[in-house]
Amino acid sequence: GAVVSQHPSWVICKSGTSVKIECRSLDFQATTMFWYRQFPKQSLMLMATSNEGSKATYEQGVEKDKFLINHASLTLSTLTVTSAHPEDSSFYICSATPGLADYEQYFGPGTRLTVT
Amino acid sequence: GQQLNQSPQSMFIQEGEDVSMNCTSSSIFNTWLWYKQDPGEGPVLLIALYKAGELTSNGRLTAQFGITRKDSFLNISASIPSDVGIYFCAGREGGSEKLVFGKGTKLTVNP
Repeated sequence: GAVVSQHPSWVICKSGTSVKIECRSLDFQATTMFWYRQFPKQSLMLMATSNEGSKATYEQGVEKDKFLINHASLTLSTLTVTSAHPEDSSFYICSATPGLADYEQYFGPGTRLTVT
Repeated sequence: GQQLNQSPQSMFIQEGEDVSMNCTSSSIFNTWLWYKQDPGEGPVLLIALYKAGELTSNGRLTAQFGITRKDSFLNISASIPSDVGIYFCAGREGGSEKLVFGKGTKLTVNP
């Protein structure tokens, strides 16, 4: 149980284009989903917290207009990197929490984004 | 952002040896979680701890929630080659749903 999927697993795009990454909880409803970014050999950096039907809460320093998050249902959240630039190249990972009293976060397999 | 102090940063051990790593924080946490991450993959939850003093095992893995609620350790007994990876601790403060992550411990197991 508690499986989270991400799509795509990797993507290459040209500078200036937008890329959408999907995060799905497959066998549970996720009250909250989180989006992280991870640089090589570094820890996870929280970008934003997403609750179904609400606007995402972004961490300090994360541009909300550049990283658009939509949490349309209890099983789906999307991250859109708009007008991507090479410095946006990174490993993006989502996680989901099953319930209000359950703080265990289950992570997706990640999406490797390369902007050329 | 805030991070936990996780040590050691890396470990090189022989197969069969026991491993111990720990995390400390200046803040009191209500939840401690331990994850393992393989290259190119997302972190996988190993153990979740919710009470001070709690000691929980998952196979050869044992983790404890420190009495002061500011630390936690993870032990791996009789290591095997597939234990190789990066282990992250993560803590949650009361009133927050966000996790704070350690910088990770990279484990290498020599056969």
